Amino acid sequence: DAGVTQSPTHLIKTRGQQVTLRCSPKSGHDTVSWYQQALGQGPQFIFQYYEEEERQRGNFPDRFSGHQFPNYSSELNVNALLLGDSALYLCASSPLAGGSYNEQFFGPGTRLTVL
Amino acid sequence: RKEVEQDPGPFNVPEGATVAFNCTYSNSASQSFFWYRQDCRKEPKLLMSVYSSGNEDGRFTAQLNRASQYISLLIRDSKLSDSATYLCVVNEGSNYQLIWGAGTKLIIKP
Repeated sequence: DAGVTQSPTHLIKTRGQQVTLRCSPKSGHDTVSWYQQALGQGPQFIFQYYEEEERQRGNFPDRFSGHQFPNYSSELNVNALLLGDSALYLCASSPLAGGSYNEQFFGPGTRLTVL
Repeated sequence: RKEVEQDPGPFNVPEGATVAFNCTYSNSASQSFFWYRQDCRKEPKLLMSVYSSGNEDGRFTAQLNRASQYISLLIRDSKLSDSATYLCVVNEGSNYQLIWGAGTKLIIKP
């Protein structure tokens, strides 16, 4: 049973570019959450997708957008990259509509460096 | 004031010792509480959920104090493999967003 997978593992972009990160949830999970983790900080919630809709959003600008596909996989898109977007981007999946009491399983993350 | 606060550490502890850290949260309506462990350059992994009555899992004990709005994690008989960053996580219950502390770094020394 594959866990949460993310691609790519590492990415280097320049300011102003756009990036797309991908996530496949754990088998049986239907809810995907995205987080940004800067060095030395805890993960910051970006948004959560359920039933192909953005269900909840954290305090991130519109440059951050996402999508969930019918197979529950998800993409995170970031436009007009800034140096401050350099971070580890984590995807987490949870089962059964992702209620607050459900454990979130994390993928290994995508490390994004913006130059 | 941050929503979830933790002492960043590092806590340098000899192998076999007992170590405890606290985490405070600002929203009294918070309903779910978790401790996650994160190894260097790896993803967070759930260590344990924290229940109102307190709970224990082997060498690990978690406690919740709603009156003072803090949760604690106690590690007994610490092992070298316990070295990691421990993240406190809170959910307010009214939404699906988890609020994360910045983590406490623990270093177990031989």
